Amino acid sequence: TQLLEQSPQFLSIQEGENLTVYCNSSSVFSSLQWYRQEPGEGPVLLVTVVTGGEVKKLKRLTFQFGDARKDSSLHITAAQPGDTGLYLCAGAQGGSEKLVFGKGTKLTVNP
Amino acid sequence: GAVVSQHPSRVICKSGTSVKIECRSLDFQATTMFWYRQFPKQSLMLMATSNEGSKATYEQGVEKDKFLINHASLTLSTLTVTSAHPEDSSFYICSARYRNGNTIYFGEGSWLTVV
Repeated sequence: TQLLEQSPQFLSIQEGENLTVYCNSSSVFSSLQWYRQEPGEGPVLLVTVVTGGEVKKLKRLTFQFGDARKDSSLHITAAQPGDTGLYLCAGAQGGSEKLVFGKGTKLTVNP
Repeated sequence: GAVVSQHPSRVICKSGTSVKIECRSLDFQATTMFWYRQFPKQSLMLMATSNEGSKATYEQGVEKDKFLINHASLTLSTLTVTSAHPEDSSFYICSARYRNGNTIYFGEGSWLTVV
């Protein structure tokens, strides 16, 4: 059983479109992080959210942590080809040092 | 953000030999580091948690005698793949917990090819 369910698994869109990636769980997380990974490289941290209901913005990216701290979303406005990559959500549960990863969303933004 | 560096980025070794991969936190001390393995087009699979000054904690199904982890200092953890076989070929990534907080930074990853 996957603790963190990410959807969609694959997403191919045109430049300029908006998109949302979801990360859902039945478990509560003390914090949740979003990473972007390009082929052959390590994941790069985008954001950490820790408070239920928290919204963080990073240029065209908006991250939201659910009120119950069980889910999160990543919304990208006016996607660009440079946004192409594997987006991973990862959560930490209270008392555990380990990050649990979702399976990732492979985003392709076509020019 | 904080920097975690891995070395080597790519290594090729012969079957039966051992290879060591280093993970360093360059601008912070990390009491806890993590080692992951990633297969093509898949997410990260946690192999073990490396704790400075103590034995690593391995995930179920990961052979501790094959994947030796040493966290000898607050800025360095090493993963040694012993008696490597072609099926050990993979992308290995380390990460480090920043100042014991919620944020975890990843290294660039190391490609291991066993021939």
